This record gives sequence, C-alpha cells and structure tokens, in this order.
Amino acid sequence: EAEVAQSPRYKITEKSQAVAFWCDPISGHATLYWYRQILGQGPELLVQFQDESVVDDSQLPKDRFSAERLKGVDSTLKIQPAELGDSAMYLCASTAYRAEQETQYFGPGTRLLVL
Amino acid sequence: AQSVTQPDIHITVSEGASLELRCNYSYGATPYLFWYVQSPGQGLQLLLKYFSGDTLVQGIKGFEAEFKRSQSSFNLRKPSVHWSDAAEYFCAVGARGSQGNLIFGKGTKLSVKP
Repeated sequence: EAEVAQSPRYKITEKSQAVAFWCDPISGHATLYWYRQILGQGPELLVQFQDESVVDDSQLPKDRFSAERLKGVDSTLKIQPAELGDSAMYLCASTAYRAEQETQYFGPGTRLLVL
Repeated sequence: AQSVTQPDIHITVSEGASLELRCNYSYGATPYLFWYVQSPGQGLQLLLKYFSGDTLVQGIKGFEAEFKRSQSSFNLRKPSVHWSDAAEYFCAVGARGSQGNLIFGKGTKLSVKP
C-alpha cells in the first residue's frame, strides 16, 4: 500500500538553528499539505501545494518558515531560526486532487524538539 | 468561521464496552465531516467521512458516525471496544469550496481498560 514518507522522524535542535523536514507524497498525488500539531492539539494547516505551486500559505509564519515543492513531487519545510515554540509534530499529507471530498493521507510525522 | 469542538479530552472505557466520542461543529452550511485516528507517534488515519446522503456513516475497524444537522454534531461510535482502539481521535470539518482545508478539533484520547 502506498504511503506518505517523511524524514527525519525525530529532530532535536537548539533555538536559532535551522531545521528542515522532507516529505514524499503518495505517487501521483498532486496536492500536498504541511500541518503543525502542537502537543495536545489537533493539526493546523501551514501550507498547501498544488503541484509545484503554493495555493495557501496564509497560516505559515513566513518570517521564519519556508516551504517548497520544486518539481511538484517531494517537498521540504524549513524553519530558520527555530524557536522554542516551534516544538511540535510536523505532519505531511497528500491527496490526488485538491478538493474537500478527497481523503488526506498522512505521513508518520517529524517530531521536533527545540532546546 | 468554522470550528470543531470535541468536549471530552480523555475517555476511559473497558474492553468490550460501547464507545461514543462527541464532536460538534460550527459552520453555516452542511460541511464535509471526517474522523481520524492517531496512534502514539504516528500520523493520522481516516476512519470515516460524511459528505451527503445517509446520515449514518460506516467506517473502518467497526466504527460508525451519525451526522445530526439539528445538533451540529457528528459523534463517533463503536459497539464493542478492543484494546487496540486505544489512540487519539480527531474530528475535522471541511468547508465546501475550501479546496481541502480541514479544521481539526483538539482530539479525544481513548484509553481502554482490560
């Protein structure tokens, strides 16, 4: 069964350092989502891609966060510099089409701890 | 603005007992509704979803949910809980025309007693 891949699974960093997370969606899935899930909360959307284009980044803290999906396949989410409040699980999800009826398939996530 | 409320932060049930997890949403029209489950340290897996039609929706692992428009609710149920059902459960709502943007509740953690 096809799955969404994410790496690393765990990342510990010091504040002010740069971190990057990688996501490889299910093959053929055009839409890719990055979510942030703070402990004890539900996921919150950070950015949504359709192919290589950003279609919604209204909740992305653009002063320190950036995301790219250069070839419309895998994607990278970067934080620079990391802050203590960035400690969270970062989840990637993908769907075949950009539509609310579509099931979002989630990867296992990257757990970030900022010290 | 859309919102999702899961009133119960933590629920404990005995194995074999029935389960109901509550979800209330706020949205001006009929939304798309989802229930996801998350095991510790893992991503989310879809249990079931409602778009239209029959208000009782069947999902995987023996779960079902009922959409009640008058109560703005979409409660998740299972007649007999198994120890492997211990996990966190998230209700989510998607607005029609939102192009896939989901709003999640804060989750309900389910513990199962032997």
